[in-house]
Amino acid sequence: QKEVEQDPGPLSVPEGAIVSLNCTYSNSAFQYFMWYRQYSRKGPELLMYTYSSGNKEDGRFTAQVDKSSKYISLFIRDSQPSDSATYLCAMSLIQGAQKLVFGQGTRLTINP
Amino acid sequence: SAVISQKPSRDICQRGTSLTIQCQVDSQVTMMFWYRQQPGQSLTLIATANQGSEATYESGFVIDKFPISRPNLTFSTLTVSNMSPEDSSIYLCSVKTGGNSPLHFGNGTRLTVT
Repeated sequence: QKEVEQDPGPLSVPEGAIVSLNCTYSNSAFQYFMWYRQYSRKGPELLMYTYSSGNKEDGRFTAQVDKSSKYISLFIRDSQPSDSATYLCAMSLIQGAQKLVFGQGTRLTINP
Repeated sequence: SAVISQKPSRDICQRGTSLTIQCQVDSQVTMMFWYRQQPGQSLTLIATANQGSEATYESGFVIDKFPISRPNLTFSTLTVSNMSPEDSSIYLCSVKTGGNSPLHFGNGTRLTVT
C-alpha cells in the first residue's frame, strides 16, 4: 500500500465548475499538508500549505484536511481553463521537512 | 522565491552512457535536493546535495548510479550513470531557502534512454 493515494484521473470538467481533488494517506503522523500545481513541461509550484486539520482558503482555492479520516482535499471554485494542470498532494511529518511524500498527481482539464 | 534553472531541459541518450544535469539557483539556498518523477509515479527523493560533502541518498538510490556534486550554495549537478531505459524520467532539482520554507522546484530535465 502506498503511503499517499491520489486518483491520477484524468479529470475533465467544464469552465466554472467546482473541482474537488483528493488524497488519502496511511501515516497518521503526517502533520503538514501541501498541494502543488504542475503545468505541462514545468516543475511543481506550491499552491497551498496547511497544518493539521481544518480549512484554508486562498482566493478560489480551499484546502481541507481531515486527520481523523486521513483525507485531504483541494477545492477549486469557478474553475478556469488556466487551472488545467496536474495537481499533486504532498505531506510531511514536521514543518519544513526536506523529505515530502507525494501523491501520484491528478491531471485536470478545464474545458472552455 | 528562488529562481531555479536546470540544464538540459530534455535529452535523448543511448543506454550505457551517462548524463550530467546542472541546477543553478539565483541566490544562496540552505538545501538542494534531487527528485525523480517517473511516468505515472509519485515524485521520489533521490538525495540531498550537501555543500562541500558527499550527498545523502535515500533508500534505493546509490552514489555509483547517481553521483551528485554541490560545490557551492547556488549550484549542484546530478549524473545519471550507465543509463538504461528504466532511467527514462523527469529529474527535478529542488531547493529550500530557509529552515521552515517550502520546497521550490526547477522545471526539470526530461530524459529518454533508448
